[in-house]
Amino acid sequence: DIQMTQSPSSLSASVGDRVAISCRASQSISVYLNWYQQKPGRAPKLLIYAASSLQSGVPSRFSGSGSGTDFTLTISGLQPEDFATYYCQQSDTTPTFGGGTKVEIK
Amino acid sequence: EVQLVESGGGLVQPGGSLRLSCAASGFTFSSYWMSWVRQAPGKGLEWVANIKQDGLEKYYVDSVKGRFTISRDNAKNSLYLQMNSLRVEDTAVYYCASPTFYYNGRGHGAFDYWGQGTLVTVSS
Repeated sequence: DIQMTQSPSSLSASVGDRVAISCRASQSISVYLNWYQQKPGRAPKLLIYAASSLQSGVPSRFSGSGSGTDFTLTISGLQPEDFATYYCQQSDTTPTFGGGTKVEIK
Repeated sequence: EVQLVESGGGLVQPGGSLRLSCAASGFTFSSYWMSWVRQAPGKGLEWVANIKQDGLEKYYVDSVKGRFTISRDNAKNSLYLQMNSLRVEDTAVYYCASPTFYYNGRGHGAFDYWGQGTLVTVSS
């Protein structure tokens, strides 16, 4: 199975900050990488698919980049509603998720 | 409006069985691969199983092979997960989910539709 490693596991940031979350795959997955946002007690929400494509309805402050084994989710101008946990997921083979990154208010 | 509504969760003893259901509405259920994804309390997400549109292809994570069975009834717009020989480590919220526009030939893709989840607790 392909292992997905996210870093950091948590971070503190202020409204308006630019935040970057890293995701590394244990082997090349081309661009088969998706990003989700999850708030407590809620189902995950798809933000980015195919490494850099923005899901319909998702604000443009969210962006994704990368290919092969290294990927980044960037939030440009953090908003109060963005404080949540973010997960990466590879869909090249049997799906696996990263361990999550919790974005907290500083 | 797309809705996926899971049911059937609850408390069960180790070794016991449970059958989860997911009722779909608001989209053409029979046209899409469907998956179960779980999340242990306070932990991350784990894909469990998926099933092709016609029910003839199914895939499982290694930890549930031989114990869980995924199935679907397209006439009833419903997805199921039969869970046998349950273990304490199967305790989780179970979500049904579907990749409707970005997926490969084995139905692995980006999950754009999710249910609200149903909690399964395995404990003596």
